Amino acid sequence: GQQLNQSPQSMFIQEGEDVSMNCTSSSIFNTWLWYKQEPGEGPVLLIALYKAGELTSNGRLTAQFGITRKDSFLNISASIPSDVGIYFCAGSNYGGSQGNLIFGKGTKLSVKP
Amino acid sequence: GAVVSQHPSWVICKSGTSVKIECRSLDFQATTMFWYRQFPKQSLMLMATSNEGSKATYEQGVEKDKFLINHASLTLSTLTVTSAHPEDSSFYICSARRSGSYNEQFFGPGTRLTVL
Repeated sequence: GQQLNQSPQSMFIQEGEDVSMNCTSSSIFNTWLWYKQEPGEGPVLLIALYKAGELTSNGRLTAQFGITRKDSFLNISASIPSDVGIYFCAGSNYGGSQGNLIFGKGTKLSVKP
Repeated sequence: GAVVSQHPSWVICKSGTSVKIECRSLDFQATTMFWYRQFPKQSLMLMATSNEGSKATYEQGVEKDKFLINHASLTLSTLTVTSAHPEDSSFYICSARRSGSYNEQFFGPGTRLTVL
């Protein structure tokens, strides 16, 4: 089945630094989603991408859907302490397998004030 | 918009009892809802896909007779863990896909189940 490789597994950065994380897939998706999860909470949708090459921003967050449809990245600019959490990428194929999401293993972000 | 609630947020039960978890889409209709479980420091693992008015589709390795799913309306799905055992202790999270949308799934806050 499809697998997602998400990297890095964890990051320790200083407040104000930019962050970049990415996901690659063994096969193509037609949707990429990025979620953030805080301890004891469900994931919160950050950005949804539907077209190859699409670049979308949400405040300090920017994500891109790779041209090959097998990868996506998420950038966070000027990180702040509340950015702490686990970021998950997820891929899906609308209309196939009822649109199930395949999740990456997550990137744990720690921000030092 | 796109708020999903879960109830209860946590539950502790004795081994052998059954526990029901509710998932509600509060401000949208969800033809499809999904149930995940998440172990500590791990990613979400899909258990089953629930479609309103039809039987749930279970992922390989998930016992349908143990994890009963009912999706009786466009805003409510329930997961019942029957005859729970300590190994069923986990964080259970539901998500709902807004009817007519692509693949955006909105997640509930999760339910922490502890089986003694």
